[in-house]
Amino acid sequence: NAGVTQTPKFQVLKTGQSMTLQCAQDMNHNSMYWYRQDPGMGLRLIYYSASEGTTDKGEVPNGYNVSRLNKREFSLRLESAAPSQTSVYFCASSEGDRGTEAFFGQGTRLTVV
Amino acid sequence: AQSVTQPDIHITVSEGASLELRCNYSYGATPYLFWYVQSPGQGLQLLLKYFSGDTLVQGIKGFEAEFKRSQSSFNLRKPSVHWSDAAEYFCAVGGRTGGSYIPTFGRGTSLIVHP
Repeated sequence: NAGVTQTPKFQVLKTGQSMTLQCAQDMNHNSMYWYRQDPGMGLRLIYYSASEGTTDKGEVPNGYNVSRLNKREFSLRLESAAPSQTSVYFCASSEGDRGTEAFFGQGTRLTVV
Repeated sequence: AQSVTQPDIHITVSEGASLELRCNYSYGATPYLFWYVQSPGQGLQLLLKYFSGDTLVQGIKGFEAEFKRSQSSFNLRKPSVHWSDAAEYFCAVGGRTGGSYIPTFGRGTSLIVHP
């Protein structure tokens, strides 16, 4: 079982460059999420998609865009990377009901120089 | 809006000692509560969850947690810590925001285990 797969695992960008983080889940989950993890800040929600075809902003959406390509895939795009976006990014998915757990990918460690 | 507070940023225990990690939540209805563990360089893995019923829930790796509604708490415990338990621990609440389900996480507690 692959679960939630994120690519790439590591990335270094120069300020102003763009990139897309990919996420795919094979559990037929309705909801998908992007979080960033910074020391002392825990996990902060960037964007989420409650179901295929919908996306909504989370706590820290500035500087990011997302696309729910289909039920399986949810990508996160940085249009013009900034050093403040240096972080570890996690994609997660769930069935979408508040009683169900979230399943996480292994994370993408992004450094913007 | 829902929120989770983990008051301890770091906890240090000796191997074999007991452990309690604190978690307080804020949510307007009956909460669905979770504890996750993150080993270095890894994603988060579910340890246990509480939906309803028995307020003491058992999880994997010998962990348990107790839900106390009167204190809005869901503390994680383990009777005897192993060196392999050193990790980051996150408490989370599952609730609806604007009609969508959003898992909200605390800031995490880093567990350090001394031999």
